[in-house]
Amino acid sequence: GAVVSQHPSRVICKSGTSVKIECRSLDFQATTMFWYRQFPKQSLMLMATSNEGSKATYEQGVEKDKFLINHASLTLSTLTVTSAHPEDSSFYICRGRFQGYGYTFGSGTRLTVV
Amino acid sequence: AQTVTQSQPEMSVQEAETVTLSCTYDTSESDYYLFWYKQPPSRQMILVIRQEAYKQQNATENRFSVNFQKAAKSFSLKISDSQLGDAAMYFCAYRSGNLGGSEKLVFGKGTKLTVNP
Repeated sequence: GAVVSQHPSRVICKSGTSVKIECRSLDFQATTMFWYRQFPKQSLMLMATSNEGSKATYEQGVEKDKFLINHASLTLSTLTVTSAHPEDSSFYICRGRFQGYGYTFGSGTRLTVV
Repeated sequence: AQTVTQSQPEMSVQEAETVTLSCTYDTSESDYYLFWYKQPPSRQMILVIRQEAYKQQNATENRFSVNFQKAAKSFSLKISDSQLGDAAMYFCAYRSGNLGGSEKLVFGKGTKLTVNP
C-alpha cells in the first residue's frame, strides 16, 4: 500500500531555532500533501495544503512565514518551523494524496521546543 | 463550513462486549465521505472505516460497522467483540466529495475508548 515516511518522529529544539520535518512518499507520487497539527488531547487541524511545484495554501490563522512548506518534488514535502517557540510544541502529521483520490497519513512528528 | 461533532469525550467497554461511538455532522453538500480513524498512543492515524454518502448500505470492516443516517446527519461506529487493542482515541472525519472541492479532512474532537479486561 501507499506509504508516507515522516521524519523525525520526535525532535527537541531550542527556542529560536528552526526545525524541518520531512514527508516522503515511498511507493507513490504525492501530488498533494496536507499538513496537520494536533495539540495535546485535541483534534487534528489542517494547517496547509501543498501541491508539487507550487506555493502552499495556508488555512486561516496559520502564519505562512513561520511554517514554511516546500513541495519541490512528487516524493518529498517538507515543513519547516522557523524561529520555534514553546507554543509551537505540538504533534505534526502529514497526509499524502496518491493516484486518484487515495490518501495516506505519515506517522507524525512530536515537536518539543524548550 | 462543515462541522463534525463527537459528543462523547470518553467511553469504556468490557472486553468482548460491544460499544457504539457517536458522531454527527453538518453540511450542505450532497456528495461527501465520512471516516472513522483510530489513533493509538503512538499517534499514528489508522483508517478504521469509510462511508460514501451516496451509498445507502452501511460500511462494515470485520468487527467494525457504522450506522449511517444521512437525513439525520449521523454516523456512529459500532465495535463488536471489543479487544484490548481497540483502546485508542477515535476520530470521526468528513471530506467533501465534490470534484474540485476541498480535499481536507474535518475532524471531530475525538472519543477516548478504554477497554477493560
